[in-house]
Amino acid sequence: GNSVTQMEGPVTLSEEAFLTINCTYTATGYPSLFWYVQYPGEGLQLLLKATKADDKGSNKGFEATYRKETTSFHLEKGSVQVSDSAVYFCALYSGTYKYIFGTGTRLKVLA
Amino acid sequence: NAGVMQNPRHLVRRRGQEARLRCSPMKGHSHVYWYRQLPEEGLKFMVYLQKENIIDESGMPKERFSAEFPKEGPSILRIQQVVRGDSAAYFCASSPTEGGRGNTIYFGEGSWLTVV
Repeated sequence: GNSVTQMEGPVTLSEEAFLTINCTYTATGYPSLFWYVQYPGEGLQLLLKATKADDKGSNKGFEATYRKETTSFHLEKGSVQVSDSAVYFCALYSGTYKYIFGTGTRLKVLA
Repeated sequence: NAGVMQNPRHLVRRRGQEARLRCSPMKGHSHVYWYRQLPEEGLKFMVYLQKENIIDESGMPKERFSAEFPKEGPSILRIQQVVRGDSAAYFCASSPTEGGRGNTIYFGEGSWLTVV
């Protein structure tokens, strides 16, 4: 079946450090891939998405490239800020109206 | 355009009571999804509804849980005789069509249920 695997957290970085959060998936066909962010006590916000192989999604300095050959969608940011502290979820949609979420990766950025 | 509205945001219930969670989808959206997030876990699909119809409830526990999306009014997720294990965040999402390739579903801010 379809699944999403994220690197476990928490990830703790200093401000302005480079961020990578790994995400790999298993799916039949050609899924769409998403990154959602959840700030403490809040709901999920769509951060970025990619709908086909080699697409790059980007938003607020974050980016992720849909790599079909490695079935990956790693999230990156060149310089994190304290305000980026949150839980990040990788998700997959394969056309059956069910979104499959990873378990989330907590990011903590220290000033 | 208002987003997906959920209420209450926080709900405390004693074991054995009933919990009712409401979700008003975005304007023009007729497809509603409920997801549950247990502590330290990702979101898990519970149920997918269209107006007056349950399309897929394969993620719902077989007992005590029910969902509806009436012709008028919000979608309701109802949990009867709550137990401590029901403590979780319940997220509603909506979309204008059945989530299609590239379509995005829009999440509400969630309802946090605590069972004491």
